[in-house]
Amino acid sequence: NAGVTQTPKFQVLKTGQSMTLQCAQDMNHEYMSWYRQDPGMGLRLIHYSVGAGITDQGEVPNGYNVSRSTTEDFPLRLLSAAPSQTSVYFCASSPLRSSVSYEQYFGPGTRLTVT
Amino acid sequence: RKEVEQDPGPFNVPEGATVAFNCTYSNSASQSFFWYRQDCRKEPKLLMSVYSSGNEDGRFTAQLNRASQYISLLIRDSKLSDSATYLCVVNTAGGYNKLIFGAGTRLAVHP
Repeated sequence: NAGVTQTPKFQVLKTGQSMTLQCAQDMNHEYMSWYRQDPGMGLRLIHYSVGAGITDQGEVPNGYNVSRSTTEDFPLRLLSAAPSQTSVYFCASSPLRSSVSYEQYFGPGTRLTVT
Repeated sequence: RKEVEQDPGPFNVPEGATVAFNCTYSNSASQSFFWYRQDCRKEPKLLMSVYSSGNEDGRFTAQLNRASQYISLLIRDSKLSDSATYLCVVNTAGGYNKLIFGAGTRLAVHP
């Protein structure tokens, strides 16, 4: 199993550009999520999904869109990049089950800089 | 006030030392608690869950104090490989989307 993969690893954007961060998992996990990690702050949830066709907003959704057309893929789209979106983005997945440890499996991250 | 607070450190300790981190949380209804480890420029990985009765995994011991709303992580016989940032994670209301991450405590173990 490759686990959770993310592309690209690094990206530099100019203000106003749009782009899509890719995330895929091969563990057949129902739950997938996107976080951003900024210095001095904990990971913050951007969007999440509990299955194909179902998405919802997390704590900091503004400026981002997601879709979940398959169980495996959960791309994150930046609509019009702003310097405040400079961050490290992590995708995570988990199986949904009644007795849970809430363990999340994270991808390696995408380091995004917006100039 | 942040929902989950940690001392950012760094904690600089020699190999073989015992070190302890605390993490406080503000929501008294929080249901479950975890420690994740994050190596420099890497993704977080689950280190251990924290149970009400306390739990141990080798050199690592986690404790929960609901009355004072804090959890702790004790590392005995520190190794160089323990150098990392330790993230405290609290589930405030059940559900994966209710996980609140602390900013982390950095540990540096030196020879």
